[in-house]
Amino acid sequence: KAGVTQTPRYLIKTRGQQVTLSCSPISGHRSVSWYQQTPGQGLQFLFEYFSETQRNKGNFPGRFSGRQFSNSRSEMNVSTLELGDSALYLCASSAGKGAGEQYFGPGTRLTVT
Amino acid sequence: DQQVKQNSPSLSVQEGRISILNCDYTNSMFDYFLWYKKYPAEGPTFLISISSIKDKNEDGRFTVFLNKSAKHLSLHIVPSQPGDSAVYFCAASARGGADGLTFGKGTHLIIQP
Repeated sequence: KAGVTQTPRYLIKTRGQQVTLSCSPISGHRSVSWYQQTPGQGLQFLFEYFSETQRNKGNFPGRFSGRQFSNSRSEMNVSTLELGDSALYLCASSAGKGAGEQYFGPGTRLTVT
Repeated sequence: DQQVKQNSPSLSVQEGRISILNCDYTNSMFDYFLWYKKYPAEGPTFLISISSIKDKNEDGRFTVFLNKSAKHLSLHIVPSQPGDSAVYFCAASARGGADGLTFGKGTHLIIQP
C-alpha cells in the first residue's frame, strides 16, 4: 500500500498570505489528522476529520481550518500567515476514528518570511 | 500546560544495552498511550501502544510499561541497535483513543557503537 502523501513538501510564503496544504491518506483510511511541529512546542494536534466531518479540534486560532473530501483526501488552510506559523505540518491517517495507530506522512515544511 | 512530558531531551546508550525512555502525564482522562519514532525528514512511525487496562505490552524488542497511579509510562528497547537512533515521542489520548493525540516533546536516543 502507498503511504500517506503530502504536497507540497516545502513552501515559502510571506506574512499575511494564505496557504493550502494537501494530504492523501492511505487507501481505505477514513480518518485524517493534522499536526504542527515546531522546535519550541513539539507536535501539536490541529484537527481530525472522519468521513468529511471534523471530529476533534486542537487549541489553534480560527486562521487554521481544514476539510476532507469524499475520497478521504484532506486539505488544511492557514490564512493571514504569521512568522510563528513557520513549522512542519504533518498529516496522519488511520482506519478508524481517533488516535488509534496513525500513519504519518513526511510533512510539509512551511517557512513564513 | 504540558500534559505529556518527556523530561530527557536526549539519551545516549551503548549498542546492545537496554534503552529506557520515560514519559509522564498529568491528565487523568488519558487512557490510551502510544510511542512513535521519528527520523529526520520523515514523519513519525508508530511503534507500540498500550491501553490503561493493561500495565505492560510487548512487541519484539520493544516493551511499554504503564504505571497509572504514578501517571508514568516507559519504553524499553532491548537490545539497543544503531538503527534505533532517532527521536522518540510519547503520545496520549482520552476516551479510549477517540480524542486527538497529545504528544510529548520527544527524547533523542543516540545508540553508541
